[in-house]
Amino acid sequence: NAGVTQTPKFRILKIGQSMTLQCTQDMNHNYMYWYRQDPGMGLKLIYYSVGAGITDKGEVPNGYNVSRSTTEDFPLRLELAAPSQTSVYFCAIRGGTNTGELFFGEGSRLTVL
Amino acid sequence: AQSVTQPDIHITVSEGASLELRCNYSYGATPYLFWYVQSPGQGLQLLLKYFSGDTLVQGIKGFEAEFKRSQSSFNLRKPSVHWSDAAEYFCAVVDNDMRFGAGTRLTVKP
Repeated sequence: NAGVTQTPKFRILKIGQSMTLQCTQDMNHNYMYWYRQDPGMGLKLIYYSVGAGITDKGEVPNGYNVSRSTTEDFPLRLELAAPSQTSVYFCAIRGGTNTGELFFGEGSRLTVL
Repeated sequence: AQSVTQPDIHITVSEGASLELRCNYSYGATPYLFWYVQSPGQGLQLLLKYFSGDTLVQGIKGFEAEFKRSQSSFNLRKPSVHWSDAAEYFCAVVDNDMRFGAGTRLTVKP
């Protein structure tokens, strides 16, 4: 998990609250990703970014927003939290231009009650 | 968009037995393919990857995988499973984004 820092590690939200999951990297990689992981569902791509100022939707973007103002930071925002957003969220960076290998943060466990 | 299918949700093998985890992909060009492993409460660790060249790739922990274009498959194998291999295994394909299969949970019987 070296190089990718996610905060917070745990959070409980009430329905309708908003919050931001932070992701910071110190490896100067262009590609960054947000995934959510639910039991038996694998990892679903929420949003990704191929560089500062560029973001794109993944498989499950509804209910989330992202920004990429710098190479280092890729925050994920939940505007109106819903129970369906209870999940474990992983931020990842792509190592190198051509390797494709992802390096993951330690994950953020979010519960919406 | 590319996609990945792992047909087996859960597999149980005896320690010392051989293992094969299946992965099928859908992608228009030559894919970049990966296998990751996740232990409970942990993040994902890369086992091996395929980009081009030799279709049989070796990874860490004694794992290997074979790319078969004709079958759109990238199955993971290990000749002799150890109890510590019990985990969840994910196949993935990458273009600009990276898509994961739903995962296969491996249980190892003593």
